[in-house]
Amino acid sequence: DAGVTQSPTHLIKTRGQQVTLRCSPKSGHDTVSWYQQALGQGPQFIFQYYEEEERQRGNFPDRFSGHQFPNYSSELNVNALLLGDSALYLCASSRLGADTQYFGPGTRLTVL
Amino acid sequence: DQQVKQNSPSLSVQEGRISILNCDYTNSMFDYFLWYKKYPAEGPTFLISISSIKDKNEDGRFTVFLNKSAKHLSLHIVPSQPGDSAVYFCAASAGRNYGGSQGNLIFGKGTKLSVKP
Repeated sequence: DAGVTQSPTHLIKTRGQQVTLRCSPKSGHDTVSWYQQALGQGPQFIFQYYEEEERQRGNFPDRFSGHQFPNYSSELNVNALLLGDSALYLCASSRLGADTQYFGPGTRLTVL
Repeated sequence: DQQVKQNSPSLSVQEGRISILNCDYTNSMFDYFLWYKKYPAEGPTFLISISSIKDKNEDGRFTVFLNKSAKHLSLHIVPSQPGDSAVYFCAASAGRNYGGSQGNLIFGKGTKLSVKP
């Protein structure tokens, strides 16, 4: 049973560019959440998707957007990249109504 | 303002002894708490959780205690093993109030546990 997968593993971009990160949830899960983890910090909630709609959103600017596909996989898009966007981006999946989110290995984004 | 606080950035314990990791929270709306373990270059791995209606949950070597009046929870690992060396994150949610899967998980900054052989 495959767990949560994310791609790519690492990514290097320059300021002002745009980036797309991808996530496939654990089998049987229908809800995907995205988190940003800066160095030395805990993960911070960006947003959550269910039934292809953004269900909840954290305190992140509109430069951060997402999408969920009919097969429950999800994308995180970040526009106009800033140096401060350099972080580990984590995807977590769950079943709606379940109590626990399961995390993928993350995508390390470096903005130069 | 941090709603979930892990005040010890690091903890060192001898193999076979007990490890106690602490977490404090400020939001009384939190109704579910989780502990995750994270190795370098990996995502957080779910360890154990507890609902606010309980004060203790046990799973093998791991036990989580919740003191609602003090807004404090702790994770006990007994006995500690070298493979337990990792960063441990405490997380909280008011997800049940949303009538479904947990929404926004609020994380502490983590405690790095080192278990020495």
